[in-house]
Amino acid sequence: SAVISQKPSRDICQRGTSLTIQCQVDSQVTMMFWYRQQPGQSLTLIATANQGSEATYESGFVIDKFPISRPNLTFSTLTVSNMSPEDSSIYLCSVKTGVSTDTQYFGPGTRLTVL
Amino acid sequence: GENVEQHPSTLSVQEGDSAVIKCTYSDSASNYFPWYKQELGKGPQLIIDIRSNVGEKKDQRIAVTLNKTAKHFSLHITETQPEDSAVYFCAATLLPNAGNMLTFGGGTRLMVKP
Repeated sequence: SAVISQKPSRDICQRGTSLTIQCQVDSQVTMMFWYRQQPGQSLTLIATANQGSEATYESGFVIDKFPISRPNLTFSTLTVSNMSPEDSSIYLCSVKTGVSTDTQYFGPGTRLTVL
Repeated sequence: GENVEQHPSTLSVQEGDSAVIKCTYSDSASNYFPWYKQELGKGPQLIIDIRSNVGEKKDQRIAVTLNKTAKHFSLHITETQPEDSAVYFCAATLLPNAGNMLTFGGGTRLMVKP
């Protein structure tokens, strides 16, 4: 298994500002992902964080809005840029310990409110 | 791509009763089906999963059944307890393939009344 921590756990931000969310895993993992969960909704994949290269974004998500870094096998950051109230969501870090591994683990999430 | 539909969106049961949540998927190639439980203020936690080479899997009070022909799978919780109250998500994907990510259902809010 993998233990995932996220910082901050929650934040209230003003529109037009940016917030960087950190994800730390207690062991080296092969794959790291970032998800968004809008209020009362399901989970939507934003991107796969690739170590040492640009993240792979899903349709509807762009690097300028959600820049992602992954400097090593245990850490990643997601920045939500130029925020608007529509960005108010829970942002979740998720990992798989191996490419062919079944299980995907989720962090506790970062609850973001944009005023 | 894969599409997963989940029903019902909300489910209220009396403590001790059983609860059943159903999901249908569209891609017949999908072969891995996990279920996640999300409690208020927490991230989703894997509670049980099933691969397409089996029809049923049990873990104490929870079980998952899979019907590949009909492309649907269900979560069964017996002897429900108030701590089972949460949002449950089903998901589907094809493994092993690094490019195939989990596709989630819309979620079911389960309320267990004491």
